[in-house]
Amino acid sequence: DTEVTQTPKHLVMGMTNKKSLKCEQHMGHRAMYWYKQKAKKPPELMFVYSYEKLSINESVPSRFSPECPNSSLLNLHLHALQPEDSALYLCASSQGLGERGETQYFGPGTRLLVL
Amino acid sequence: GESVGLHLPTLSVQEGDNSIINCAYSNSASDYFIWYKQESGKGPQFIIDIRSNMDKRQGQRVTVLLNKTVKHLSLQIAATQPGDSAVYFCAENGGGKLIFGQGTELSVKP
Repeated sequence: DTEVTQTPKHLVMGMTNKKSLKCEQHMGHRAMYWYKQKAKKPPELMFVYSYEKLSINESVPSRFSPECPNSSLLNLHLHALQPEDSALYLCASSQGLGERGETQYFGPGTRLLVL
Repeated sequence: GESVGLHLPTLSVQEGDNSIINCAYSNSASDYFIWYKQESGKGPQFIIDIRSNMDKRQGQRVTVLLNKTVKHLSLQIAATQPGDSAVYFCAENGGGKLIFGQGTELSVKP
């Protein structure tokens, strides 16, 4: 099973709202990722967690706050977003952060619209 | 800095023909490469990968070729089907980061 699940599928929020995106995997992977993808563009890395600890933050604005409650779950808390934050938010996981590279498996994404 | 790029942004092929999608990378130390397929409204789906100690790897209807001399990667799809229509991304992986190419949109004509 190489499934990563994400909820919700779609989300519309105002600039003053607080919402959370959720991601789950049951593959026993120890690394999890958040990506942002604009239309017709490749995914852009936001955060990397390894063994439930934040490993990489790609200078993401503080209005995005990641959380890894346990090895299977990854959340992205959203607060005071801007319309330009509208995008597809993708979660991915891999067995680890091997120096020689690990295959990352992606979820279906959450389509976010900020009004 | 390092970059992974694709030569063609769009590719249109006839159903049943073979498709070739190309990718150039700039980091000669790159060790691991992945091809992803992304259909409209979905997340990237792993297709095939290859490590730098190989020149060629085959899957079901897909083949990845790696030419380290010219830092070039290609994805070949045999007998292309309408279900192959998607955006294809190559990606370079190392140290926990995926560096994606810009993507090629493959359109299959019936």
